[in-house]
Amino acid sequence: GAVVSQHPSWVICKSGTSVKIECRSLDFQATTMFWYRQFPKQSLMLMATSNEGSKATYEQGVEKDKFLINHASLTLSTLTVTSAHPEDSSFYICSARPIGLYNEQFFGPGTRLTVL
Amino acid sequence: GENVEQHPSTLSVQEGDSAVIKCTYSDSASNYFPWYKQELGKRPQLIIDIRSNVGEKKDQRIAVTLNKTAKHFSLHITETQPEDSAVYFCAASNPRTSYDKVIFGPGTSLSVIP
Repeated sequence: GAVVSQHPSWVICKSGTSVKIECRSLDFQATTMFWYRQFPKQSLMLMATSNEGSKATYEQGVEKDKFLINHASLTLSTLTVTSAHPEDSSFYICSARPIGLYNEQFFGPGTRLTVL
Repeated sequence: GENVEQHPSTLSVQEGDSAVIKCTYSDSASNYFPWYKQELGKRPQLIIDIRSNVGEKKDQRIAVTLNKTAKHFSLHITETQPEDSAVYFCAASNPRTSYDKVIFGPGTSLSVIP
């Protein structure tokens, strides 16, 4: 149980294009999902907290107009990287917290984004 | 906000020896401390966690200790095996932050030498 999927697992795009990444909780419902970014040999940096039915909460320094988050249902959150540039190339990982659980979260497998 | 520090950044041990990773946190209100193992290119996996109402927790070869007064917690791996080689992250969660977000430490790269 508690499986989280991400799609796509990897994507290569041209500079200036937008990329959408999906995060799904497959066997549970999650009102809260988190989006992280991880550069090579670095830690997971929280980008934003996604809450079903309301606006996402972004961490300091994360541009909300560049990283659009939509949490339209209890099992799906999407992250859209708009006008991507090479410096946005990174490993993006989502996590989901089952309804009723505190603190715990289950991670997706990650999406490797490469912007040319 | 919460700041989590972790030491050492790299650690090499002989197979069968013990490994210890130490972390400190800044916000005394944090009350949940998970440890994650991440293999290259894969998702973090929760290996053990501890809440602030206990001082120690053990699961087979893995144990975690927590000192709330000093705001530090440690991961202990005994009888290390080559498959323990990975990057380990400590983390802290503060219930007073929105949605109990989890803040990660910088990570420790553990190598177990056969």
